[in-house]
Amino acid sequence: AQTVTQSQPEMSVQEAETVTLSCTYDTSESNYYLFWYKQPPSRQMILVIRQEAYKQQNATENRFSVNFQKAAKSFSLKISDSQLGDTAMYFCAFMNRKTSYDKVIFGPGTSLSVIP
Amino acid sequence: DVKVTQSSRYLVKRTGEKVFLECVQDMDHENMFWYRQDPGLGLRLIYFSYDVKMKEKGDIPEGYSVSREKKERFSLILESASTNQTSMYLCATGGGRGHNQPQHFGDGTRLSIL
Repeated sequence: AQTVTQSQPEMSVQEAETVTLSCTYDTSESNYYLFWYKQPPSRQMILVIRQEAYKQQNATENRFSVNFQKAAKSFSLKISDSQLGDTAMYFCAFMNRKTSYDKVIFGPGTSLSVIP
Repeated sequence: DVKVTQSSRYLVKRTGEKVFLECVQDMDHENMFWYRQDPGLGLRLIYFSYDVKMKEKGDIPEGYSVSREKKERFSLILESASTNQTSMYLCATGGGRGHNQPQHFGDGTRLSIL
């Protein structure tokens, strides 16, 4: 069975600084997706970034980028130039490409606070 | 944009009541999911459905049931609510076979059982 671990329950960062959120996962599959989701306080969960396991290049979306280390089964999220609106719960997630049902396995989450 | 609508943002019920949580999507997605979210535990899958009238148990189905009579609607039912079912409940949809889209979420229902 696949598992996703986020070892940092809470983190904080000064506005405009850079922060990295850690995620590790365990799977015997070779073909899968990894995601970072963001859940702002009292707001909807949204997708931040996604990585396909067969792609070696790390995904980037504006200020958000990932460091995908497939052999180490590590998938960290880097947020550059942190903004107050980045304050949220961040969930790392895994999806096996073989599944037809879009089943996603989520980590326990990291609560990020951006400090003015 | 995909819109996933959950019928209530906040709900308060009493122990022993039968509780219905409704979720409606407007993107014709095949797959729909119900999760509960608890601090430190992340999202845990309760049930999912891959087609009308089809359902599969997730990781924590005990105490819950689901109904999917129409493609766009997926209901979560607490047959006899208990205080340990106080939680945030999230509905999500996915595009289904060959899509491998990430899941799209509703706003969540914060349910309190007194």
